Amino acid sequence: KQEVTQIPAALSVPEGENLVLNCSFTDSAIYNLQWFRQDPGKGLTSLLLIQSSQREQTSGRLNASLDKSSGRSTLYIAASQPGDSATYLCAVRDYSGAGSYQLTFGKGTKLSVIP
Amino acid sequence: IAGITQAPTSQILAAGRRMTLRCTQDMRHNAMYWYRQDLGLGLRLIHYSNTAGTTGKGEVPDGYSVSRANTDDFPLTLASAVPSQTSVYFCASSPWGAPYNEQFFGPGTRLTVL
Repeated sequence: KQEVTQIPAALSVPEGENLVLNCSFTDSAIYNLQWFRQDPGKGLTSLLLIQSSQREQTSGRLNASLDKSSGRSTLYIAASQPGDSATYLCAVRDYSGAGSYQLTFGKGTKLSVIP
Repeated sequence: IAGITQAPTSQILAAGRRMTLRCTQDMRHNAMYWYRQDLGLGLRLIHYSNTAGTTGKGEVPDGYSVSRANTDDFPLTLASAVPSQTSVYFCASSPWGAPYNEQFFGPGTRLTVL
């Protein structure tokens, strides 16, 4: 069974700092990996999707990398801002049988950016 | 604005009552999903539908049922609610059930069963 781990569970940084969030998964037979942002009491917003054949994806100040063979992904946030404060979730998609391809989520990293 | 809507936003329900959570998407996505999010456990898949007319069980399907009569709607029903079903429920969709597509999430329904 796929397991996704995110470390650290919580992170507090001063504004302007660059930071890295980590995600690891136990089964490397994934199709893609998706990073989400979740604000308190809100739904999930998709940030980046990396297909298994890709090494990284970039969107603005965000850069996500994927090392499928080692079961790791990182989300790099450049020049952090207070508005980046949220919980960041990592999820991997793999085959779960009976024609179903499902997402398995980590428990998230809660980021606080201090002004 | 295109996206996923869920109703109600929140609900307090007595144990034993029947409840249907509604989910509608206007993106013409084929695949839809229901998750529950619990503190310390993260998001877990309840049921999914790869296309209209088909459904499947996820990781935690017991006590829940779904139907997919058309492309846009994917209701989740609790036949007889129990306190352990207190959670935040998210509906999601993707263009197709195939593995390469991005999933998009609705705003969630916060359900409390007393």
